[in-house]
Amino acid sequence: SQQGEEDPQALSIQEGENATMNCSYKTSINNLQWYRQNSGRGLVHLILIRSNEREKHSGRLRVTLDTSKKSSSLLITASRAADTASYFCATSDGRIKFYFGSGTKLNVKP
Amino acid sequence: GAVVSQHPSWVICKSGTSVKIECRSLDFQATTMFWYRQFPKQSLMLMATSNEGSKATYEQGVEKDKFLINHASLTLSTLTVTSAHPEDSSFYICSADTKRASGDNEQFFGPGTRLTVL
Repeated sequence: SQQGEEDPQALSIQEGENATMNCSYKTSINNLQWYRQNSGRGLVHLILIRSNEREKHSGRLRVTLDTSKKSSSLLITASRAADTASYFCATSDGRIKFYFGSGTKLNVKP
Repeated sequence: GAVVSQHPSWVICKSGTSVKIECRSLDFQATTMFWYRQFPKQSLMLMATSNEGSKATYEQGVEKDKFLINHASLTLSTLTVTSAHPEDSSFYICSADTKRASGDNEQFFGPGTRLTVL
């Protein structure tokens, strides 16, 4: 990818379990954002975390950021079948461009 | 929230023809829009930054004569794939930039256009 990698590439879990996805990036950032993409559709913004923040919550989502390791994680708690989608991290250096990670395809089995 | 539309949502064309894809911000103005392409099971690759009233800025490796971008108004950017070939078949996604109240940039994405070149 243009910026970084995500792992795992694919994750399959049962409904109710937690899902954790990791994102690593290459350059200094101003913020990091997570997006969700349903198959063949556009992207939906989930959450933004700034470089001076370490953790952020939004509903069932928890994002952490470790700038020393250039990595972030997205935790979805109590997953639902409707959470099935691909999840991407995107980084910004404070200017206008975003660069996306390689994505994690999450499958939540009912 | 802000809505971005794309038209068409899918297009099939013959090799050698040109295809135009429109990206519109429906309820806000965007001085900057972005064009991405996405191959199956891969991430989004930024192709170019479209600036209203000026020339687009292309990422390294993207042919500007192949992918013509026009940003004629604050709500419309177009991407024209010229002389399309099968290897241009992809999912093209646009986004429009806006600023959050916090000052952070946020991009709102269109639903994408599936291009298939026969």
